[in-house]
Amino acid sequence: AQSVTQLGSHVSVSEGALVLLRCNYSSSVPPYLFWYVQYPNQGLQLLLKYTSAATLVKGINGFEAEFKKSETSFHLTKPSAHMSDAAEYFCAVSSSSGGYNKLIFGAGTRLAVHP
Amino acid sequence: DGGITQSPKYLFRKEGQNVTLSCEQNLNHDAMYWYRQDPGQGLRLIYYSQIVNDFQKGDIAEGYSVSREKKESFPLTVTSAQKNPTAFYLCASSKQPYQPQHFGDGTRLSIL
Repeated sequence: AQSVTQLGSHVSVSEGALVLLRCNYSSSVPPYLFWYVQYPNQGLQLLLKYTSAATLVKGINGFEAEFKKSETSFHLTKPSAHMSDAAEYFCAVSSSSGGYNKLIFGAGTRLAVHP
Repeated sequence: DGGITQSPKYLFRKEGQNVTLSCEQNLNHDAMYWYRQDPGQGLRLIYYSQIVNDFQKGDIAEGYSVSREKKESFPLTVTSAQKNPTAFYLCASSKQPYQPQHFGDGTRLSIL
């Protein structure tokens, strides 16, 4: 069965520092992978997606993620954190069972950015 | 602009009462989903529907019911059998499974 593990429920960085949010997945088939961002009391917004094309995926707001099959990882990075990046981030992997398809979400990582 | 509309934004339920959360989309998406979000637990799938008049239980369907009579609408009923309904509920849709999901802004349900 597919699953997602996000390492670190809380990450804190200084403004201007590198952001690294970790995601490892388990999948028996080539996965589709996604990163979403959630601001307080709002829904989730898609940051980027991997669908078996280029392994380095660029998303919105300067974020990117690299698919590493050998490490079963899909970590999210941003070279320089901005105060507006403070939010909760979710990694998700596609899942198929009995002909029905859905996404499996990780538990989320809350990113804090301090001056 | 196309999107997903969830209503109401805040909802209160009395003991023994059923309540229905609305989810409407005008994105012409085939698949729709309901998630429950609790602090520190991420998103847990309640029900999902890949086409009209068909839906499947997710990981935590007990105490919930849905219908999918129209492509645009996927209402969720929280029944009195759901003993701990206080949570943030999110509705999502996608053109097809495996494609990115678009989310509404959620409904926060509390118990009176």
